[in-house]
Amino acid sequence: DIQMTQSPSSLSASVGARVSIACRASQTIGTYLHWYQQKPGKAPKLLIYSASSLQSGVPSRFSGSGSGTDFTLTINSLQPEDFATYFCQQSYTIPLTFGGGTKVEIK
Amino acid sequence: QVQLQESGPGLVKPSETLSLTCSVSGASISSYYWSWIRQPPGKGLEWIGYISYTGSTNYSPSLKNRVSISVDRSQTQFSLNLRSVTAADTAVYYCARVRGYDSRGTLQEYFLSWGQGTLVTVSS
Repeated sequence: DIQMTQSPSSLSASVGARVSIACRASQTIGTYLHWYQQKPGKAPKLLIYSASSLQSGVPSRFSGSGSGTDFTLTINSLQPEDFATYFCQQSYTIPLTFGGGTKVEIK
Repeated sequence: QVQLQESGPGLVKPSETLSLTCSVSGASISSYYWSWIRQPPGKGLEWIGYISYTGSTNYSPSLKNRVSISVDRSQTQFSLNLRSVTAADTAVYYCARVRGYDSRGTLQEYFLSWGQGTLVTVSS
C-alpha cells in the first residue's frame, strides 16, 4: 500500500495568515493526489484534484502543488470558515489511501 | 446536484454482518462509480471499495475477504455488506460518488460527492 504522510498533524494560525500543509507519498504517484476539507461532524469536501486543479465552487485562496512524492496545499489569507481538518488522498494505485489529516486551528 | 444518503442499523453485534444502503438522487446510478469510505471516531479516513456502472468492483485488500458492494439500479441505491464485524469496524460510514473517467479516458478515483455519514457501532 502507498502510505500518505501529512505534516504537520496540527497547526494554529490567525485569520488572514498563509498556511501550507505538506503531504508525502511513500512512492511516486505522479499527480494522482487530491485534497479534502472536513469540518466536525460533517463529510469531507473535495477542494483540489489531480494535485493542482481547483474543484468548482472552491474559493481561489486554496491551491495545490507538487508531483511525484511531495505535495502541498496552500491556503492564502485564512478565513474563519477554513478552520477544519484537511486530508490528502492518492489514487495512483489500489488501495486508495488517505493521509492522517492536518487540523487547522484558530490562533 | 447529486445527493447521497446512508441508511442502516446504528448498532451491530460482533461476528454479525453490517449492512448499509446509500440512496442516490440527482444522478443516474448507472452512469458513475460509487464508493464506501469509513472513519473510526477521532481518526482518519479508510477507503473500503467501489463499484462501477458495469457492476465491477474494487475492494481494499485489508477488507476484501469480508466486504461486498452491490447496486440496485431499480431503487437507485447501492449497498455495503461487511461480514464478521468486530469492535475495530466501529466507524462513521460514508458513501460517495467517484469522479470516474475524465475527458482523456483516464479513470480518476477521487470523491466528488459524499453522504452525510452514519455511525455504526459494533457492540454486544
